[in-house]
Amino acid sequence: EIVLTQSPGTLSLSPGERATLSCRASQSVSSSRLAWYQQKPGQAPRLLIYGASSRATGIPDRFSGSGSGTDFTLTISRLEPEDFAVYYCQQYRSSSYTFGQGTKLEIK
Amino acid sequence: EVQLVESGGGLVQPGGSLRLSCAASGFTFSSYWMSWVRQAPGKGLEWVANIKVDESENFYVDSVKGRFTISRDNAKNSLYLQVNSLRAEDTAVYYCVRGGSHGSFDIWGQGTMVTVSS
Repeated sequence: EIVLTQSPGTLSLSPGERATLSCRASQSVSSSRLAWYQQKPGQAPRLLIYGASSRATGIPDRFSGSGSGTDFTLTISRLEPEDFAVYYCQQYRSSSYTFGQGTKLEIK
Repeated sequence: EVQLVESGGGLVQPGGSLRLSCAASGFTFSSYWMSWVRQAPGKGLEWVANIKVDESENFYVDSVKGRFTISRDNAKNSLYLQVNSLRAEDTAVYYCVRGGSHGSFDIWGQGTMVTVSS
């Protein structure tokens, strides 16, 4: 099983700042099989990025994904108030899916 | 509108069973792999099971193998999860999710809560 480790656990930033979230895999992940999700309290997760760098439908272009192999990054260029939430990365390989433990993005 | 609506959760004693259901609408259900993903209270996300478009293949996380069964009825646009021999650690919100591009999950239901407690 591929283990995904996200860092930092909590990120405290202000609106307008740039956020950089990391996801590291225990084994190499196909770049096409890495996704990012946003979850707000009391809501279901929402797909942001698939294929490591493709934005899902309706996702603003301030969200971007990058990376390959074992290291992947989600960047939010300029934080809006609605972006403060928990973010998860997820991978798929060999008929199995795993998620990272999440990064909480909170208002500083 | 593309939508997934789960039902069937509730409070059940350890060792008990439930059948979770998911009603899909707004898309061609029979064209998509479907999955269940769960989230224990205050915890992260865990993929539970998925099923191929024609039910010919399904896969499970190791912790539920032999206890949970995923199925679908394409004529009814519905996904199911039969959960047996429930344990306290199965307590979670169970989400019905649609398989998206490149192994992602692109549509999520609102979830149904399963609580295993005596």
